Amino acid sequence: KQEVTQIPAALSVPEGENLVLNCSFTDSAIYNLQWFRQDPGKGLTSLLLIQSSQREQTSGRLNASLDKSSGRSTLYIAASQPGDSATYLCAVKRSNTGKLIFGQGTTLQVKP
Amino acid sequence: EAGVVQSPRYKIIEKKQPVAFWCNPISGHNTLYWYRQNLGQGPELLIRYENEEAVDDSQLPKDRFSAERLKGVDSTLKIQPAELGDSAVYLCASSFSSAETQYFGPGTRLLVL
Repeated sequence: KQEVTQIPAALSVPEGENLVLNCSFTDSAIYNLQWFRQDPGKGLTSLLLIQSSQREQTSGRLNASLDKSSGRSTLYIAASQPGDSATYLCAVKRSNTGKLIFGQGTTLQVKP
Repeated sequence: EAGVVQSPRYKIIEKKQPVAFWCNPISGHNTLYWYRQNLGQGPELLIRYENEEAVDDSQLPKDRFSAERLKGVDSTLKIQPAELGDSAVYLCASSFSSAETQYFGPGTRLLVL
């Protein structure tokens, strides 16, 4: 059974700092991995999607990497801003049409 | 373009009462998902519809939960009777197909007293 773990559960950093969020999964046979952002009282917004054949994806100040063999992914946020404060969730899919298996999330607070 | 719409946004009920949640997916999306998100946890899939057919309901507690997607568009998730442990956020998502990106609604926050 696939299990997804995110460490740390919460993180507080000063504005401008670069930071890394971690995601690990127990079964390396994944189809893709996705990072989501969730703001309080709102749904999830997809940030980055990495296919199993890819090593990383970038969007603006965000960079996600994937090491399938070790069962790890990281989300790197450069030059953090208070607007980045949210909960970040990673999720894996076992197959093209399979369901998303989520981690428990990392709640990020960026202080001005 | 309108996103996934859910109602109500908040619901407070007493245990043993029934409750229903409604979801209107993005127009043209054939696949619809219901998730439950407990406090401090990630969402867990309850049921997935392809058009009006439930193709994955293995995680739906069928003794008290039911869902329907009439005409393959809107969907309703029902709990009867509700228990204290059902307190959670219920998220609806939709996609063009199960292989495509899912778009999430804002969720319904349920509190069972």
